[in-house]
Amino acid sequence: QKEVEQNSGPLSVPEGAIASLNCTYSDRGSQSFFWYRQYSGKSPELIMFIYSNGDKEDGRFTAQLNKASQYVSLLIRDSQPSDSATYLCAATGSTLTFGKGTMLLVSP
Amino acid sequence: GAVVSQHPSWVICKSGTSVKIECRSLDFQATTMFWYRQFPKQSLMLMATSNEGSKATYEQGVEKDKFLINHASLTLSTLTVTSAHPEDSSFYICSAHNRGQGADEQYFGPGTRLTVT
Repeated sequence: QKEVEQNSGPLSVPEGAIASLNCTYSDRGSQSFFWYRQYSGKSPELIMFIYSNGDKEDGRFTAQLNKASQYVSLLIRDSQPSDSATYLCAATGSTLTFGKGTMLLVSP
Repeated sequence: GAVVSQHPSWVICKSGTSVKIECRSLDFQATTMFWYRQFPKQSLMLMATSNEGSKATYEQGVEKDKFLINHASLTLSTLTVTSAHPEDSSFYICSAHNRGQGADEQYFGPGTRLTVT
């Protein structure tokens, strides 16, 4: 069973802090990794994808991938209350497998 | 780019009736579209994978005769919930893979909230 594991949270951080979201995956054959943001009652929105080991930065977001440890993370710098949402990690093997998501709460 | 639309955004129907949901890729051609279902406070559950011009591949436990999927063109896939029952009430979300980008990312439609009374 190919799995993507995330802590359900909630992860609470104050406004302006760095939020760190983590994800592990079981399928060593996974090649592509994605972070989606889902607001309550809305569909997921793609934030970032990463294919190679290391860091990938896009604005306030940094995705980190360590294939040896089968670990993916998302860092959100200068967290804003509008970042409060559920963040879904996903990995591709033959299909895209989603984690259950981590709820992030950013307090003003 | 990579915009996916769904119609309707919400629908209420009576038990026993059928409901059709459309998923369109507006600015790209989608070789593959995916249909998900999400119950409140639960994770996304993949129902089926739809490839243009061929039969959909259903996930284990999803009744193919109840959830009819048609992917007649590179920009349109439809999901028909036949003989709907209250337990089918859920948030149905489609996503599309942009083949032009040569990558694996999927773009989600805004979802359709189905309520069966």
